[in-house]
Amino acid sequence: EAQVTQNPRYLITVTGKKLTVTCSQNMNHEYMSWYRQDPGLGLRQIYYSMNVEVTDKGDVPEGYKVSRKEKRNFPLILESPSPNQTSLYFCASKQGGGGYTFGSGTRLTVV
Amino acid sequence: DAKTTQPNSMESNEEEPVHLPCNHSTISGTDYIHWYRQLPSQGPEYVIHGLTSNVNNRMASLAIAEDRKSSTLILHRATLRDAAVYYCILSARDDKIIFGKGTRLHILP
Repeated sequence: EAQVTQNPRYLITVTGKKLTVTCSQNMNHEYMSWYRQDPGLGLRQIYYSMNVEVTDKGDVPEGYKVSRKEKRNFPLILESPSPNQTSLYFCASKQGGGGYTFGSGTRLTVV
Repeated sequence: DAKTTQPNSMESNEEEPVHLPCNHSTISGTDYIHWYRQLPSQGPEYVIHGLTSNVNNRMASLAIAEDRKSSTLILHRATLRDAAVYYCILSARDDKIIFGKGTRLHILP
């Protein structure tokens, strides 16, 4: 089944403890992206990648890092999480001019 | 970056057509118009997209104004499972996308 897989689905962590949210797609898509969703603010893009080793900032990149060492994986890294990064995170992928496929989401709580 | 404007919410009766509007007056010539929906507790789901011509698929139809400054997503026969937040999104040539606030669609039985 064609899909985008995120892990973990739920995560509670403490301020300052580095964490990584993984994202993997099995569709050989070139484009991948991370979003966060907050009440009243909708979905905002954090980072995106147009291909392996190519990444760029979205609208809210502060406090986040990404890497794209292979086509299928696009991890989101929080080097020093803070409470304002408590959010629902979605990974997505697409190929060419087609539609995006989104993962099921990761609900992160930073205390 | 081009933005979209959608009504905050809409209601429709079950089994009737639904027309969801979107304004994008600053759209550029290379922007694709995408529509997604998000059901409760799920990730966004692709519905349809187009550039200039009207588009149809098994889920919906997309009507694009001649000047491309607005578009309408048409659900031909709404069901209770269509209750969701619908997002109108512009996808630029570099694939960067900007989500609008979305329209919360309520379906009345």
